[in-house]
Amino acid sequence: EVQLVESGGLVVQPGGSLRLSCAASGFTFSDHTMHWVRQTPEKGLEWVSLINWDGASTHYTDSVRGRFTISRDNSKNSLYLQMNSLRAEDTALYYCVKSLGDSEDYWGQGTLVTVSS
Amino acid sequence: AIQLTQSPSPLSASVGDRVTITCRASQGIATALAWYQQKPGKAPKLLISDASTLQSGVPSRFSGSGSGTDFTLTISSLQPEDFATYYCQQFYSYPLYSFGQGTKLEIK
Repeated sequence: EVQLVESGGLVVQPGGSLRLSCAASGFTFSDHTMHWVRQTPEKGLEWVSLINWDGASTHYTDSVRGRFTISRDNSKNSLYLQMNSLRAEDTALYYCVKSLGDSEDYWGQGTLVTVSS
Repeated sequence: AIQLTQSPSPLSASVGDRVTITCRASQGIATALAWYQQKPGKAPKLLISDASTLQSGVPSRFSGSGSGTDFTLTISSLQPEDFATYYCQQFYSYPLYSFGQGTKLEIK
């Protein structure tokens, strides 16, 4: 059974940093592109970042480029999102997603990040 | 950036109704569109990929159509478990994917 379990969400002050993790199981992690997608009640769903199977290719939405870094450790079946210079508008539920939009699409349950003083 | 606009929002309907949700792209995206269903407190679930390909396990009352800029998600006969929020997402502008704003399907 595919499982994606996110962790690391916390309350953090503006300007602070946070590292999200996603532990994957039930599939060959190193075969798949992985994504982070976030959601807020106000803006809905927003694609944040992706990393290809070996970590050689990464991409970001404009609002986080230069502040967030996606990475993976295929030996640990884990995906990460390093979030720096956090802003109030980064407050969201962050989902780890496998194979977004294709027949093997699978989402974790999310981890909540709150940026507030 | 490609923008997706969903309509209507919200949508009120009754069990047994046929409902259609529309997603319009700001530029042509061929058939690079997916539809998701999200229930409160749950992650989104992929229903349809490539505009019209029904995912395994998704009831056949769900269907998708369209290409270019205009797409529809149709539920042929609403069931109680279908009341949820529906999102479209485009994959044309790799890697800058985008979602529609969502359509909340409510019980009339």
